[in-house]
Parts: sequence; structure tokens; C-alpha cells
Amino acid sequence: QQQVKQSPQSLIVQKGGISIINCAYENTAFDYFPWYQQFPGKGPALLIAIRPDVSEKKEGRFTISFNKSAKQFSLHIMDSQPGDSATYFCAASTMYSGGGADGLTFGKGTHLIIQP
Amino acid sequence: NAGVTQTPKFRVLKTGQSMTLLCAQDMNHEYMYWYRQDPGMGLRLIHYSVGEGTTAKGEVPDGYNVSRLKKQNFLLGLESAAPSQTSVYFCASSYQASSSYEQYFGPGTRLTVT
Repeated sequence: QQQVKQSPQSLIVQKGGISIINCAYENTAFDYFPWYQQFPGKGPALLIAIRPDVSEKKEGRFTISFNKSAKQFSLHIMDSQPGDSATYFCAASTMYSGGGADGLTFGKGTHLIIQP
Repeated sequence: NAGVTQTPKFRVLKTGQSMTLLCAQDMNHEYMYWYRQDPGMGLRLIHYSVGEGTTAKGEVPDGYNVSRLKKQNFLLGLESAAPSQTSVYFCASSYQASSSYEQYFGPGTRLTVT
């Protein structure tokens, strides 16, 4: 049972355009939703994350939109640049009251290509 | 500050052989994790540890064992390697903090089992 579903599998966007990647989760115990960026041959790196007490979080050109009732969240990359070409993973986890959390449950990833 | 390092970077095993992957972090993190990444599958949690001397199973623990004898190290063992364990293995670590839950990933170990 796939607990975090991610779409699309691949995405091609023109330079300057908006890239949108969507994720849906099933486990209502999840309360931490990060997005990771991975370049070929490298480990994933945290891009931006959100908790369910807010519906949107923005950091520079990257925005997470979160819909708790629909159990969905999405990543928007504004003014997409060729350097944004990478694989993006959404993930979810449950945080402990004393800090820290279970391991992450990842989506299957989106291969994003930004065309110059 | 090296962050999270993994040893070795590449390894080829024959079916039935055993090996240990080493993960080390110099950030004094409480939590450490092992994931495997397969094409089209994302990353899946194998085992994790919430502190020295403790380990727990993740989503795909079968065929693997782990140990956390020192806070800075997390070892992943394959007792009898199988071709299905061909994958890229990533280690990660994080603080035990309610304000921050970023997992820092290592560069990965590419394992091929023939």
C-alpha cells in the first residue's frame, strides 16, 4: 500500500515557467511534509517543509500548498530555471512530542526538466 | 564538518556473500536512518535508530540488520546478499528537536549483487 502518491512521474517546463508537483497521502497521523531535491549521483537534500497547521509556506521561488481535508500537498516552483532540473520527492512523517520523528515515507519522485 | 559520510561508495557482491555498510555523522545527531532507493520506487526506509544502542524496523527490513553502538555511527549489514538487494543505499541523520526535523543524507552506496 503506497502511503504517499506523487504525480507526475516526469515534467518538462520552459525556463521562467511554473513547475507544479502534487502529492496525496493516506495516513492521517502524518504531520510533517517535506520536499526533497536530488541531483544525479547525490543524496537528497531538504528543499522546503510544512506542518499541517498552515496552508502555505513560501521560501524564495519555492512554495508548498497544503490541503489537510483533501490530504494533499503540492510544490510550486516559480520562475523555473535550468538549475532546478532534478528529481523531486515529497515525503511525510509523524513527529514525536519530544522532538524527532519516524523515518520518512517518500513518494516515487518526479523527474523535472527545465528547458532553456 | 563532513556531515554524513558513507563507506564504501560502490560495491559488487556475489549472491550469498555478506557485507557491512558504514554510516558516520559528525553533527551529534540523535536519529539515524537507512534507506534504499530503487528506480521508480522513491526511497524506502529499512531501519532507523532514535539513539545509541536502539534500533527499529522500517518499511523494508527483511534481509538487513543494523547496529548503533556509537552515537555517530550506524551500520547496515547484509548477512546473505540477494540480487533483490541491488540498490543505492542512503544513510541519513537528524536532530531530536521539535523545531527542526531536517534529515541530512549521505552521498549513497551503490551496491550490485550478482
